[in-house]
Amino acid sequence: GNSVTQMEGPVTLSEEAFLTINCTYTATGYPSLFWYVQYPGEGLQLLLKATKADDKGSNKGFEATYRKETTSFHLEKGSVQVSDSAVYFCALRRSNDYKLSFGAGTTVTVRA
Amino acid sequence: DADVTQTPRNRITKTGKRIMLECSQTKGHDRMYWYRQDPGLGLRLIYYSFDVKDINKGEISDGYSVSRQAQAKFSLSLESAIPNQTALYFCATRPGLGREVSDTQYFGPGTRLTVL
Repeated sequence: GNSVTQMEGPVTLSEEAFLTINCTYTATGYPSLFWYVQYPGEGLQLLLKATKADDKGSNKGFEATYRKETTSFHLEKGSVQVSDSAVYFCALRRSNDYKLSFGAGTTVTVRA
Repeated sequence: DADVTQTPRNRITKTGKRIMLECSQTKGHDRMYWYRQDPGLGLRLIYYSFDVKDINKGEISDGYSVSRQAQAKFSLSLESAIPNQTALYFCATRPGLGREVSDTQYFGPGTRLTVL
C-alpha cells in the first residue's frame, strides 16, 4: 500500500540556517505529493505540492522536487526564520484514490 | 471568519461517555474528512464523505460514527469514549466537483480530546 516516511525530528536550527526535511514514499503509479505545515495551535495548511515527476513545488521560500527515480520529495529552505517553527508533514495521494497518506510529521524549531 | 470551524476546541471527558465533535465549513466544498493525529503517527483517516448521502469508513473507523447533516456540516461521534481515543481531531474539506476540483485539503483548527 501507500506509505510516507519522513526524517525523525525534532529539528532545531538557528535563524538563517539551511533546512532539509527528507521524505520518501512507497506507492504504485504516479501519486501527487504534498507538504503540509502545522503552525502551533492551528490546523494543517498546504505548503506546496507536485503532481508529476520532476515537478518542483515552491512557496514561502520552501522548495521540493518530485524525484521518481529515488521516490523522494525532500523539503528545503535556504534561510529559515523563527516564524518557520512548525510541524511539517509529507503526504501523497494516488491518482485514483480518495485520501491522503501522511508521514509522521517533523517538528522544526528555529531559534533567534 | 475561518472557513472550516470545529467545536469544541478542547474537551475532557470520562471513559464511557458519548461525545460529539462538530465541523462546519463555509467553503462550499462537497467532500469532508475526519482525521485523528497522534504523536509519531501523523494523521489517520477516520471517515470521509463525498456528499450528504455518501459516507465511507477510513483507516480507523472502529469506535467512531459520523453524520453529514448538510453539505456544510459533518459531525464525529464517539459512542462510548475510551482512553486510547485521546488525540487531536481534525476536520478537512476538499472541492471535488466543477471548476474547483483540487487535490488540496483545507483543515480546521482541531479539537483536542482527552478521555480519562
